[in-house]
Amino acid sequence: GNSVTQMEGPVTLSEEAFLTINCTYTATGYPSLFWYVQYPGEGLQLLLKATKADDKGSNKGFEATYRKETTSFHLEKGSVQVSDSAVYFCALSDLGETSGSRLTFGEGTQLTVNP
Amino acid sequence: ETGVTQSPTHLIKTRGQQVTLRCSSQSGHNTVSWYQQALGQGPQFIFQYYREEENGRGNFPPRFSGLQFPNYSSELNVNALELDDSALYLCASSSVGAYEQYFGPGTRLTVT
Repeated sequence: GNSVTQMEGPVTLSEEAFLTINCTYTATGYPSLFWYVQYPGEGLQLLLKATKADDKGSNKGFEATYRKETTSFHLEKGSVQVSDSAVYFCALSDLGETSGSRLTFGEGTQLTVNP
Repeated sequence: ETGVTQSPTHLIKTRGQQVTLRCSSQSGHNTVSWYQQALGQGPQFIFQYYREEENGRGNFPPRFSGLQFPNYSSELNVNALELDDSALYLCASSSVGAYEQYFGPGTRLTVT
């Protein structure tokens, strides 16, 4: 079955530091890959996506590249802000023959950015 | 464009009771999925509805059931509540054939 593994957290950084959160996946076929962000007390927000190998998703200064050869989709940001403090989830999605997509999530990585 | 909405925001139930959670899809979306997120964990897929029928199910027992209505809104019903059912329940909508799903704010269920 499909699975997603994220780096163990939590991660604590100072403002303007470089961020990397590792994500690797196991899947049959060719899934789409996503990063979702969850702020305290809220639901999930789609941060970025990539639908095929070598695609780079980007949004709000965050980037991730779909690496099929290493089955990875690591999240990066060059300079984090206090407002980036949240839980980040890596996820994959595949379409069944007769069903819509279903998301498989990693365990999440708590990011805290200190001023 | 109206986003995904869920009600209620919070709910407290007693073990053995039944609960119904509600979700309204984002406009233009015809598929609804439900996820359970236990504290400190990633969301787990419960099931998905399309054209008012269940269209895929995760590893959840039959006491978790759902409905989808002609306006694409949906309900999640859980019977015989157990303490381990305490979680954030997330609804997500999408268009059939699309990989992306858009989430509502969730319903926090506490079972005592």
